[in-house]
Amino acid sequence: KAGVTQTPRYLIKTRGQQVTLSCSPISGHRSVSWYQQTPGQGLQFLFEYFSETQRNKGNFPGRFSGRQFSNSRSEMNVSTLELGDSALYLCASSLDNVGGKFFGPGTRLTVL
Amino acid sequence: GNSVTQMEGPVTLSEEAFLTINCTYTATGYPSLFWYVQYPGEGLQLLLKATKADDKGSNKGFEATYRKETTSFHLEKGSVQVSDSAVYFCALRDSNSGYALNFGKGTSLLVTP
Repeated sequence: KAGVTQTPRYLIKTRGQQVTLSCSPISGHRSVSWYQQTPGQGLQFLFEYFSETQRNKGNFPGRFSGRQFSNSRSEMNVSTLELGDSALYLCASSLDNVGGKFFGPGTRLTVL
Repeated sequence: GNSVTQMEGPVTLSEEAFLTINCTYTATGYPSLFWYVQYPGEGLQLLLKATKADDKGSNKGFEATYRKETTSFHLEKGSVQVSDSAVYFCALRDSNSGYALNFGKGTSLLVTP
């Protein structure tokens, strides 16, 4: 069974731009969640989707948004990029809200 | 609120040494506990988990026991290998946090030959 895939793996953007990251969960998994990883803040929860509905959201500004499609694939969008948004963005999928979460390799975003 | 505290790293051990990485937690509910491992340049891999008090999670020689009385979930391995060099994250999840994972800061482990 294929694992969680994330595209692109690397991105370089400039301040003020916007970016869209994509995540394809493990087949059959309906829950997708996103995390931001930085050296200073560690791993922080962004949001979680289940069956196209956002169920939970972390403490991030409204510039961070996401959605989930009917095939469970998910995208997250960051608008008006800031230098501090440079991070590894990890997507995780699970069967439901209590199952183990399986992470993708991440998208490394660099904002210049 | 929920939080996870891990021992500071980096931890440097010789091959075949015994490993302990301490993890304690604070939670308002009845959390499930996890250890994840991150190898250089990769995402997180679920190493083991425990869903209730006194459960022992184990995988690839690693073990951790859910101790409610001490609110701990320490990771142990009897004999580490060079290939175990990675960053280890302790995490908890419960309904009070909407099932989001709360991670510790991570502990970097370096195993030398």
